[in-house]
Amino acid sequence: SQQGEEDPQALSIQEGENATMNCSYKTSINNLQWYRQNSGRGLVHLILIRSNEREKHSGRLRVTLDTSKKSSSLLITASRAADTASYFCATDNRYQGGSEKLVFGKGTKLTVNP
Amino acid sequence: DTAVSQTPKYLVTQMGNDKSIKCEQNLGHDTMYWYKQDSKKFLKIMFSYNNKELIINETVPNRFSPKSPDKAHLNLHINSLELGDSAVYFCASSQVGTISYEQYFGPGTRLTVT
Repeated sequence: SQQGEEDPQALSIQEGENATMNCSYKTSINNLQWYRQNSGRGLVHLILIRSNEREKHSGRLRVTLDTSKKSSSLLITASRAADTASYFCATDNRYQGGSEKLVFGKGTKLTVNP
Repeated sequence: DTAVSQTPKYLVTQMGNDKSIKCEQNLGHDTMYWYKQDSKKFLKIMFSYNNKELIINETVPNRFSPKSPDKAHLNLHINSLELGDSAVYFCASSQVGTISYEQYFGPGTRLTVT
C-alpha cells in the first residue's frame, strides 16, 4: 500500500528560486529517503534521513523530518534548470528477513524554468 | 561502468506472449529488487531477492516469475502478457545490513503490450 504522499504534485519555479516539496506518511519508519527521477531515467538516491534525525544537508539539499507529524520536506536552494525532474520520498518498512522494503510516494514534478 | 543495467530498454509485444527482462548489478550488493512504475509514475515494489533467495513477493500475479541465478543477476519473466502489464519496470540493488542503505536503480525497461 502507498505510504508516502508528496505535495505539491507539480511545482514550477524560476531558476535561482528555492523549491520545497513535502511528504507525509502513515506508519512508523526506520528512515525516509528522497530520490530524483529525470524523464525517461531510473531513480537516483539523493539523501537519507533516519528516524532519530531532524534535519540533514547535502549540498543544495536540505531535508527535515518530523516524526510526530509523520512528515518530511525537501528543500532545493538556488534551483537550476538541471534540477527539473520528479522527486519521490520513500519510507523504509523493514521486512522480515532483514530485507528493506521501500514504499514510494507519487512524486512531485518539479520544473525549473531558465 | 554502469552500476545496475537492464535489457532491453524497450519491449513492445502482443497480448498473450511471454517475455523476459534481464538485470545485472556490478556493485557487489546482496539484495536486488523489481519495481513497476505505472503511467501515473506510481512506483511499487514487486519482488526482492537477497543472496538468490526470494524475500519479498508483493501480491504479484503468478504470471510474473523472478529468477536469480546469482546475486549479481535478477531476471523477470512474464507469461501470458496482458494490456495492464504495460509499464516501466525498474531493477534496483542495495547492500542491506543492520542499517538501511540507499537503493541503486537501473535505467528501466518500458514494456508496451498491444
